[in-house]
Amino acid sequence: GAVVSQHPSRVICKSGTSVKIECRSLDFQATTMFWYRQFPKQSLMLMATSNEGSKATYEQGVEKDKFLINHASLTLSTLTVTSAHPEDSSFYICSASTGVTDTQYFGPGTRLTVL
Amino acid sequence: TQLLKQSPQFLSIQEGENLTVYCNSSSVFSSLQWYRQEPGEGPVLLVTVVTGGEVKKLKRLTFQFGDARKDSSLHITAAQPGDTGLYLCAGALPREYGNKLVFGAGTILRVKS
Repeated sequence: GAVVSQHPSRVICKSGTSVKIECRSLDFQATTMFWYRQFPKQSLMLMATSNEGSKATYEQGVEKDKFLINHASLTLSTLTVTSAHPEDSSFYICSASTGVTDTQYFGPGTRLTVL
Repeated sequence: TQLLKQSPQFLSIQEGENLTVYCNSSSVFSSLQWYRQEPGEGPVLLVTVVTGGEVKKLKRLTFQFGDARKDSSLHITAAQPGDTGLYLCAGALPREYGNKLVFGAGTILRVKS
């Protein structure tokens, strides 16, 4: 149980294009989903928290116009990196929580490379 | 600012040795979670500890939550090469903070055969 998927697992795009990453909770309803960014051999950095049906809450320093988050249903959240640049290249990971407990279940991550 | 200090940052040991990873904070957490992550993959939940003083065992892994719920440790007995990976502790903030997790910096464990 508690499986979270992400799609795509890898994406390479040209500078200036937009990329959408999907996060799905497969066997439970996620009232809250979180988006993280991770650099090599480092810990996870929280970018934003999204609750179903409401606007995402962004962490300090994260540009909300650049990283658009939509949490349209209890099983799907999307992160769109708009006008991507090479410095946006990173490993993006989502997690989902039922809201009943504190536990977050993580997706497998998406490797974004911007050329 | 809630901080969770994790140590050591790197650990390279021989197969069969024991090791302990520590996470300490001045903040109280409602729960604390331990994850293991392999390169190119998402973190996989190992355990959640909730009660102060709680001890949980998963085969060769023993997790402790401090009495005051500010610190935790992960002890691995007789480490194996398959234990190699990045270990992350994460403290859960109270609900009024949005159920966020505060992550430690991670411990990169390498077990040599």
